[in-house]
Amino acid sequence: NAGVTQTPKFRVLKTGQSMTLLCAQDMNHEYMYWYRQDPGMGLRLIHYSVGEGTTAKGEVPDGYNVSRLKKQNFLLGLESAAPSQTSVYFCASGSRDNTQYFGPGTRLTVL
Amino acid sequence: DAKTTQPTSMDCAEGRAANLPCNHSTISGNEYVYWYRQIHSQGPQYIIHGLKNNETNEMASLIITEDRKSSTLILPHATLRDTAVYYCIVRVYGGSQGNLIFGKGTKLSVKP
Repeated sequence: NAGVTQTPKFRVLKTGQSMTLLCAQDMNHEYMYWYRQDPGMGLRLIHYSVGEGTTAKGEVPDGYNVSRLKKQNFLLGLESAAPSQTSVYFCASGSRDNTQYFGPGTRLTVL
Repeated sequence: DAKTTQPTSMDCAEGRAANLPCNHSTISGNEYVYWYRQIHSQGPQYIIHGLKNNETNEMASLIITEDRKSSTLILPHATLRDTAVYYCIVRVYGGSQGNLIFGKGTKLSVKP
């Protein structure tokens, strides 16, 4: 039982490049989330999903897209990376009781 | 969601109990108190949650005052590995969105 895994762990992009972050969970959770965390700040919600095939915007969705084609996977895409998207990205999964389980994070640097 | 107030930082001696307070004076009747922690560079970790009764699990105890306006997370025998930022979050149980709103939390430093 791996819990929540994220791929990749680290990535460096140049401005304008695109990439996809993958989150996978093996706990059969309905809800999945993407957060970002900037230095000295709390986590901010980017997008979330309450079930396969559904997604919704969170607090800071601009510049990101997501997809939830399979229940166990939640993908976060950056179509044209900007330096302001340099951050640590955390994926989480959970159920309606708000007990969320987080992945180890992806550290992204955009030059 | 009700706003929470936590001290910015606290110290605790290794082996002693760590008592982390949280004020949530505007909490409503259907809102639960959740505690998470984030050890440096790792993803947040769920600790415990409760509505009005005191709760205990293998990690910690949660004491909620009778008026529910404040709570205390207790780590009974703190170790160096408990050094982390602890977040107190108030949230409606089973909300349609389900996301957690993380504030600044309390940085707990456990010292030998």
